[in-house]
Amino acid sequence: GAGVSQSPSNKVTEKGKDVELRCDPISGHTALYWYRQSLGQGLEFLIYFQGNSAPDKSGLPSDRFSAERTGGSVSTLTIQRTQQEDSAVYLCASRLAVFTDTQYFGPGTRLTVL
Amino acid sequence: KQEVTQIPAALSVPEGENLVLNCSFTDSAIYNLQWFRQDPGKGLTSLLLIQSSQREQTSGRLNASLDKSSGRSTLYIAASQPGDSATYLCAVSPSITSNTGKLIFGQGTTLQVKP
Repeated sequence: GAGVSQSPSNKVTEKGKDVELRCDPISGHTALYWYRQSLGQGLEFLIYFQGNSAPDKSGLPSDRFSAERTGGSVSTLTIQRTQQEDSAVYLCASRLAVFTDTQYFGPGTRLTVL
Repeated sequence: KQEVTQIPAALSVPEGENLVLNCSFTDSAIYNLQWFRQDPGKGLTSLLLIQSSQREQTSGRLNASLDKSSGRSTLYIAASQPGDSATYLCAVSPSITSNTGKLIFGQGTTLQVKP
């Protein structure tokens, strides 16, 4: 079946602009995660959605970052007033409900802020 | 705070060699540990997942072990091939009350297998 998909695959933007990154999880997966992978910091957790529960936003680096998940499926990560330090690969992952299951990752969106 | 460390950061071996990648974590309270593979410019592919109650998992030429009490895991690759060249990432899922299943990653080991 289809895996996790993300769009766009690459995004180049100018400092100060807003960007939206999209994630389509595997059908039936109730849990969805966003991670960020940057050269200096490695892979870091950003935000977690589980069904209709309140999301865990503890990994978001600043209030310029926000995310939503509509209808328990597609998720959008929004970065407002982008900064050069936001340049990274943003990865989305989904899994079935239980913690013991593996997470399936998408190919990522490479964001470059000029 | 859980921290995950992987040693070595990079490794270059000739084809056919058996090799071991190391992962250590500071807090033994984990649900599970996973090993992932990442090819350049690509996402992560799960290789092996070891639950906290398990000692090892095997898939083909790969074997991962877990010693939770000492905070260590190893990934053993037998008879390495050039196609094994990639970055290998270790990640743990902390078992805390407010756990969300989020993963804490190591910095990875970049493996090059030379023909």
